[in-house]
Amino acid sequence: AQSVTQPDIHITVSEGASLELRCNYSYGATPYLFWYVQSPGQGLQLLLKYFSGDTLVQGIKGFEAEFKRSQSSFNLRKPSVHWSDAAEYFCAVGNQNTDKLIFGTGTRLQVFP
Amino acid sequence: EAGVAQSPRYKIIEKRQSVAFWCNPISGHATLYWYQQILGQGPKLLIQFQNNGVVDDSQLPKDRFSAERLKGVDSTLKIQPAKLEDSAVYLCASSSAVASHTGELFFGEGSRLTVL
Repeated sequence: AQSVTQPDIHITVSEGASLELRCNYSYGATPYLFWYVQSPGQGLQLLLKYFSGDTLVQGIKGFEAEFKRSQSSFNLRKPSVHWSDAAEYFCAVGNQNTDKLIFGTGTRLQVFP
Repeated sequence: EAGVAQSPRYKIIEKRQSVAFWCNPISGHATLYWYQQILGQGPKLLIQFQNNGVVDDSQLPKDRFSAERLKGVDSTLKIQPAKLEDSAVYLCASSSAVASHTGELFFGEGSRLTVL
């Protein structure tokens, strides 16, 4: 069965600092991986996705993620965080055999000025 | 392009009462999803429609939850009777792709349900 783990419930960073949010998945074959962001009171917005090919994926708002099969990870990164990046971030996994996305429990990002 | 519309945004009811949520997906999107997001957890898929047919409702508590998408456009999710553990945000999403993994899901702002 597929599963997603986001080990960090809450992360606090200073504005301008770099950011890395961790995501680990469990799936026997090649997964389809996604990062979504949810601002307070808003729906989820897709940041980026990985299906195949280049393991470093660029997304919107300056985010990127790297797929590492050996570590079963798909960590989200941003070189310099802005105050507007404060939100909840969800990693999700799917695959070619099902239409269902499995979401992680989320990481809440707080940004200090 | 208008986004996914949901109503009501907030609803407070007592246990054993009923409630209904409405969703209007992005025009032309054939696939519609209802997710339940309990506080502190990630969204969990309740039901997926392809046009007006159900693709996956394996995690829908069918003894109390029902959903329909009669004309293949907007959808209604109903809970009757509600339990305390149904307190959550109910998210509607739509996509133009046949399968969610091939495309992007567009989410509405959600309907927050509180059961007292």
